[in-house]
Amino acid sequence: NAGVTQTPKFQVLKTGQSMTLQCAQDMNHEYMSWYRQDPGMGLRLIHYSVGAGITDQGEVPNGYNVSRSTTEDFPLRLLSAAPSQTSVYFCASSLMTGRSYNEQFFGPGTRLTVL
Amino acid sequence: GQSLEQPSEVTAVEGAIVQINCTYQTSGFYGLSWYQQHDGGAPTFLSYNALDGLEETGRFSSFLSRSDSYGYLLLQELQMKDSASYFCAVRLHGSGSARQLTFGSGTQLTVLP
Repeated sequence: NAGVTQTPKFQVLKTGQSMTLQCAQDMNHEYMSWYRQDPGMGLRLIHYSVGAGITDQGEVPNGYNVSRSTTEDFPLRLLSAAPSQTSVYFCASSLMTGRSYNEQFFGPGTRLTVL
Repeated sequence: GQSLEQPSEVTAVEGAIVQINCTYQTSGFYGLSWYQQHDGGAPTFLSYNALDGLEETGRFSSFLSRSDSYGYLLLQELQMKDSASYFCAVRLHGSGSARQLTFGSGTQLTVLP
């Protein structure tokens, strides 16, 4: 199993540009999520999904869209990039039963810089 | 609301024992998780305490006391490779985004030779 994969690993955007961060998992996990990590602020939830066709907002959703057309894929779209979106983005997935719901598997991250 | 408080930095020497605390202010949650993250890497799951008490996994142990609103991660026989950031996280009772994992801001552990 590849686990959770993310592309690209690095990206530089200009203010106002849009892009999609890709995330895929091959563990048949129902739950998928996107976090951003900024220095000294831990991981903050952007959006999450509990299954194909179901998405919801997390703590910091503004400026981001998601969709979940399949169990495997959960792309994150930046609509109009701003310097405040410079961050490291992690995708994660897990099962949704018992203890497993608390064991999230993270992708390697995408390091995004917005100029 | 809810908040998780961790020390920002902890330093210890190789072979020693270190305890990383996590205190929280929340009305109800399912359990306390711990994650490890090396510089430039992804967070990886270490442990989960659903109930009060001690959970042991090799050199790492995690403890939860709901009555004291307190938990900790204990690392024994420290090795250089344990230098990393450690995050506690809780999944709150509730629905929607309130029920998702909430992470502390992390503790940077430095292991000295």
